[in-house]
Amino acid sequence: QKEVEQNSGPLSVPEGAIASLNCTYSDRGSQSFFWYRQYSGKSPELIMFIYSNGDKEDGRFTAQLNKASQYVSLLIRDSQPSDSATYLCAVNILKDNFNKFYFGSGTKLNVKP
Amino acid sequence: DTEVTQTPKHLVMGMTNKKSLKCEQHMGHRAMYWYKQKAKKPPELMFVYSYEKLSINESVPSRFSPECPNSSLLNLHLHALQPEDSALYLCASGVASGKYEQYFGPGTRLTVT
Repeated sequence: QKEVEQNSGPLSVPEGAIASLNCTYSDRGSQSFFWYRQYSGKSPELIMFIYSNGDKEDGRFTAQLNKASQYVSLLIRDSQPSDSATYLCAVNILKDNFNKFYFGSGTKLNVKP
Repeated sequence: DTEVTQTPKHLVMGMTNKKSLKCEQHMGHRAMYWYKQKAKKPPELMFVYSYEKLSINESVPSRFSPECPNSSLLNLHLHALQPEDSALYLCASGVASGKYEQYFGPGTRLTVT
């Protein structure tokens, strides 16, 4: 079983709509949760992180964490064509006495003008 | 400042060449990472340094040799690579323990001919 699972998409939304990206994780020892945005040919950019159950909002982005369901989501409000990218979900787990990051396979988001 | 720098941006090398990738961060982070990313795949962890000591080696072939000269610098020495090693090589840094974020550099696009 993979540590992090994401739907590969593509997820297509019209400009101005809400994009909802989802991620599940398998290890209940996961401590921290992250969303990275990656444009084609570029490196991943950290856009949101969340440590506690509930919602965390930053501008148009809201990260949601439900540890009981082992579920993390990212909502993008008022989606723009510039939001079109691959979104990687990552979790941080203490293994071998060290914090390791595990990435999902990414969800490709297309925002249509 | 969350900047991680990497040089070179692009590298083309033959299978008999020896080259090095360089990474630098000035955020005071004590954990530094090398990842390999193939097209349409998530980053794949190669090595982790914690407090300048190699903490994790994910069974990477010996033709890849990491080095951490000090807390701000990370090198990846390449020798006798294969064409299948062509990929985007990403450096990242983060705090060495606890809940923390991980930031990526822009990457080096490596092509092995």
